[in-house]
Amino acid sequence: EAQVTQNPRYLITVTGKKLTVTCSQNMNHEYMSWYRQDPGLGLRQIYYSMNVEVTDKGDVPEGYKVSRKEKRNFPLILESPSPNQTSLYFCASSRLGMNGYTFGSGTRLTVV
Amino acid sequence: QQQVKQSPQSLIVQKGGISIINCAYENTAFDYFPWYQQFPGKGPALLIAIRPDVSEKKEGRFTISFNKSAKQFSLHIMDSQPGDSATYFCAASRFTGTASKLTFGTGTRLQVTL
Repeated sequence: EAQVTQNPRYLITVTGKKLTVTCSQNMNHEYMSWYRQDPGLGLRQIYYSMNVEVTDKGDVPEGYKVSRKEKRNFPLILESPSPNQTSLYFCASSRLGMNGYTFGSGTRLTVV
Repeated sequence: QQQVKQSPQSLIVQKGGISIINCAYENTAFDYFPWYQQFPGKGPALLIAIRPDVSEKKEGRFTISFNKSAKQFSLHIMDSQPGDSATYFCAASRFTGTASKLTFGTGTRLQVTL
């Protein structure tokens, strides 16, 4: 089944403790992206990648890092999480030149 | 800066009624306008999309109406069903030749009552 898999689905952590949210897709998509979803703000792009070793900032990149060492994986790294990063995070992927995104099921992160 | 404005924030419609969600955009370079449907605990899923060279696109009970001069587009759900209860996001993108970045609206929570 074609899908984007995120882990974990739920995470509660403390301020300052580094964490990584993993994202993997099995569709051989070149384009991958991370969004955060907050009430009243919709989905906002954090980072995106157009291929291996090619990443760029989205609209809200502060406090986040990403890497793209393999085509299928695009982890989101929070080096020092803060409470304002409490949110619902989505990974998405698509073929280059195509507009349709496939989203993962989300990771609900709580930073206390 | 909110490039895609969506309204209403929430909507309650009776079963069999018409649900209408509106979006307005600012960037005239946008060339693709999709709607995503999101159920609780799930990621958004592409529902229907339109390009600015057509004024309407219909897929089953779902219709997008597009007004290029007004920079507005809307989603109409005919004969709304309880199974349509979800959050709907409009979005817009500009295709650059290699990738397109989606800019989303703020979402509309639709509840269809019996």
